[in-house]
Amino acid sequence: AQSVSQHNHHVILSEAASLELGCNYSYGGTVNLFWYVQYPGQHLQLLLKYFSGDPLVKGIKGFEAEFIKSKFSFNLRKPSVQWSDTAEYFCAASGGSYIPTFGRGTSLIVHP
Amino acid sequence: EAQVTQNPRYLITVTGKKLTVTCSQNMNHEYMSWYRQDPGLGLRQIYYSMNVEVTDKGDVPEGYKVSRKEKRNFPLILESPSPNQTSLYFCASSPWGGNTEAFFGQGTRLTVV
Repeated sequence: AQSVSQHNHHVILSEAASLELGCNYSYGGTVNLFWYVQYPGQHLQLLLKYFSGDPLVKGIKGFEAEFIKSKFSFNLRKPSVQWSDTAEYFCAASGGSYIPTFGRGTSLIVHP
Repeated sequence: EAQVTQNPRYLITVTGKKLTVTCSQNMNHEYMSWYRQDPGLGLRQIYYSMNVEVTDKGDVPEGYKVSRKEKRNFPLILESPSPNQTSLYFCASSPWGGNTEAFFGQGTRLTVV
C-alpha cells in the first residue's frame, strides 16, 4: 500500500537554526512529491514539489527539498529558520493513480 | 481569483442533526476530495471524486456521504453526526493527473455536541 512517513512529529528550534524534516514514501513506479505548509489557523499551501529532473527542488521562503530515489526520501531543509516559519508541515506523494497520500505532519515551533 | 470555497467556516451542531458542508472550486478541476485533520493523525482522506458522478471512499468514509452532480461542487454530508466527527475539515481540488498540486479550501471547524 502507498504510504508517506514523517519521522519528526514535533520540532522546536531557535531562530537561525537549520531545519531538516524527514519524509519517506512507499510507492511503486513514478512518484510525485510535495511539501505543504499550514500556518496557524490557515489552510494548506504548497511549499514545493518534485515531478522529475533536478532532484534538488527549491521552493518559497528559502525552503528546499532533495529527492533521493535510492532512499525513497524527500527531506525538507532550510538553512536558517525564522519565527514566521512556525507552522505544520506535510509531506505528500502521488503516483499513477494521482490520489495523493499525506504524511501525519510535523509541527515546527521556532522560538524568537 | 482561483480558489476553493468552503462553507461554513465554523459549525456547532448536536448529535444526529443532519448537516452539509459545501465546497466549490472555480478552476474547472476534475479531482476533488475531502479530508479531516485531527491532532496527531494528520490529514485523512474521507472521500474523493475523479469527475462528475464519480466518487470513491478514502481512508475514513464511515459516517459521511458525498455527491458530485456538478464539476465545481463537492458537498460533504453528515446524515447523523456524532461527537467523534468533531474535527477540522478541508476540501481540496486539483486538475487531472498526479503531477499537479492540490488547492485547499480554508477549512471548516465542526463541533458535534
